[in-house]
Amino acid sequence: SQQGEEDPQALSIQEGENATMNCSYKTSINNLQWYRQNSGRGLVHLILIRSNEREKHSGRLRVTLDTSKKSSSLLITASRAADTASYFCATGKTGANNLFFGTGTRLTVIP
Amino acid sequence: NAGVTQTPKFQVLKTGQSMTLQCAQDMNHEYMSWYRQDPGMGLRLIHYSVGAGITDQGEVPNGYNVSRSTTEDFPLRLLSAAPSQTSVYFCASSWVRGGTYEQYFGPGTRLTVT
Repeated sequence: SQQGEEDPQALSIQEGENATMNCSYKTSINNLQWYRQNSGRGLVHLILIRSNEREKHSGRLRVTLDTSKKSSSLLITASRAADTASYFCATGKTGANNLFFGTGTRLTVIP
Repeated sequence: NAGVTQTPKFQVLKTGQSMTLQCAQDMNHEYMSWYRQDPGMGLRLIHYSVGAGITDQGEVPNGYNVSRSTTEDFPLRLLSAAPSQTSVYFCASSWVRGGTYEQYFGPGTRLTVT
């Protein structure tokens, strides 16, 4: 299986703090994506980083990618209660749209 | 745009019954896929399609069939339901143009097989 793993499995922080989630994967990739899933809902795309990029920003999100370590991190700054959700990384390979998802990090932001 | 729609939202089946989970998208996406999500695990790819008339297997295809007769629709069929198929099923779609693009997910179908 090419499924990745997120760390930690669960994270609880106070509103206003930063949240960092890590993702490790096993094979070479073309891109890595992060998705958010609110309880009982479908996944929503957050950000995509390509294998030749090292860092990417989108609003309060910052993603890094280290292909030599086969790892990525997602930083959410100034967290809000509305950020409470599960976050998944997913990897894609060249020439294919198929994604391989990690096991997810459950983030709880306490107001 | 409605995006990706799935029906039904919930379904209970008895072992051995068959059913079809419906998925439709109105974004003219070439790529469509089905995933299942089980507790404590990420999403696992069941089947996918890169265009009408073209389907292929993902990581966990056993017990499921798909077809793609139109760009918009990608139904998933369970031929003889088993308790191991109790899961939440998500359909997703995206473009296929020289790279990999973000996938748009439906709201999911929660299936229980007794």
